[in-house]
Amino acid sequence: DAKTTQPPSMDCAEGRAANLPCNHSTISGNEYVYWYRQIHSQGPQYIIHGLKNNETNEMASLIITEDRKSSTLILPHATLRDTAVYYCIVRPYSGAGSYQLTFGKGTKLSVIP
Amino acid sequence: EPEVTQTPSHQVTQMGQEVILRCVPISNHLYFYWYRQILGQKVEFLVSFYNNEISEKSEIFDDQFSVERPDGSNFTLKIRSTKLEDSAMYFCASRDGTGGTDTQYFGPGTRLTVL
Repeated sequence: DAKTTQPPSMDCAEGRAANLPCNHSTISGNEYVYWYRQIHSQGPQYIIHGLKNNETNEMASLIITEDRKSSTLILPHATLRDTAVYYCIVRPYSGAGSYQLTFGKGTKLSVIP
Repeated sequence: EPEVTQTPSHQVTQMGQEVILRCVPISNHLYFYWYRQILGQKVEFLVSFYNNEISEKSEIFDDQFSVERPDGSNFTLKIRSTKLEDSAMYFCASRDGTGGTDTQYFGPGTRLTVL
């Protein structure tokens, strides 16, 4: 699986947009970018995923560069409850498979009042 | 919204004892997983399970560990003889298996403390 690189920590003011970057320069054509977050020691929570087009759902937006070597997760209006560790994970898609997720250290986002 | 559930939320055991951690995956999901997270460390893959057999396992998943789907709804992780270093959060996950982009959903975890 392609390796991802994320900043270890970021701060964001409450109510502002949080932009979390991820580098995945070795991503291959059949790999998707997934984002999860973990609030305190709870189970990882799925946020969003994408292949090459930008994606948006009720939680966040995902912007993937045209060369697919990096992406940005955007939380449009961060709240204190968004304080968490955010993981960017690259996962292959090629039909059947176990597709276990490989977690890195992620980015610790602190939303500040 | 369907969710993965896990019991118990916290398990305390003595070293050398057997423990069974329980999970109820999302119904109609076909792939099941166990991960663990030692305090302050990364979430690590342990094992995946499909069609009533292990499909992949990590080097952490040694002979002390086993998994089972005893009925149509439960998925269990057994640690035969617990060690101090087995103390961790254990997360169960499932996905529906209908396509390559289907998403893994995680349970809230079981905190295992080995004394």
